[in-house]
Amino acid sequence: DAGVIQSPRHEVTEMGQEVTLRCKPISGHNSLFWYRQTMMRGLELLIYFNNNVPIDDSGMPEDRFSAKMPNASFSTLKIQPSEPRDSAVYFCASGAGGPPETQYFGPGTRLLVL
Amino acid sequence: RKEVEQDPGPFNVPEGATVAFNCTYSNSASQSFFWYRQDCRKEPKLLMSVYSSGNEDGRFTAQLNRASQYISLLIRDSKLSDSATYLCVVNEVYGNKLVFGAGTILRVKS
Repeated sequence: DAGVIQSPRHEVTEMGQEVTLRCKPISGHNSLFWYRQTMMRGLELLIYFNNNVPIDDSGMPEDRFSAKMPNASFSTLKIQPSEPRDSAVYFCASGAGGPPETQYFGPGTRLLVL
Repeated sequence: RKEVEQDPGPFNVPEGATVAFNCTYSNSASQSFFWYRQDCRKEPKLLMSVYSSGNEDGRFTAQLNRASQYISLLIRDSKLSDSATYLCVVNEVYGNKLVFGAGTILRVKS
């Protein structure tokens, strides 16, 4: 079975540019999570969806970040405009429901903003 | 105070050693607890859930002490392949939100 799929795997962009990260959750999972991981702050939850509806976006750092889940098989995380401090690994994870719930992580997108 | 605190390590141990990691959490109402493993430049993966009665999976044993808000992971007979970062994870009371500790680095050497 395919796991969580993320694209792109690597992204290098310049400050001010728009960045769009994509995620395809595991088929049948109804929860989707976006995380950001940095050396300084560790793994932080940005936002999560349940049945395509955003449930908790309290971790979204500021208005430059937005996330959508138009259907059960696709989600995007957009940063506009990007800044160097947004450089991190962004993980998408999906889960089959709970609580408690096991989350399955995608391989991540490594973002570098110059 | 962080919601989930771990000793960052690194723990450098020889093959065959027994090593223990500890973790404390601040929310006494937390209900579910996990250990995840993250290899270098990879995604986190669930290692095991942690139950009040304690649970064992091969060389790995997890314990939970609710009174002390303390979680532990014991690895016996360490293998080189156990080298990774071990993340202590707590499920918030409501919803499916997981809170991750910063991780403990384990390096097993021959």
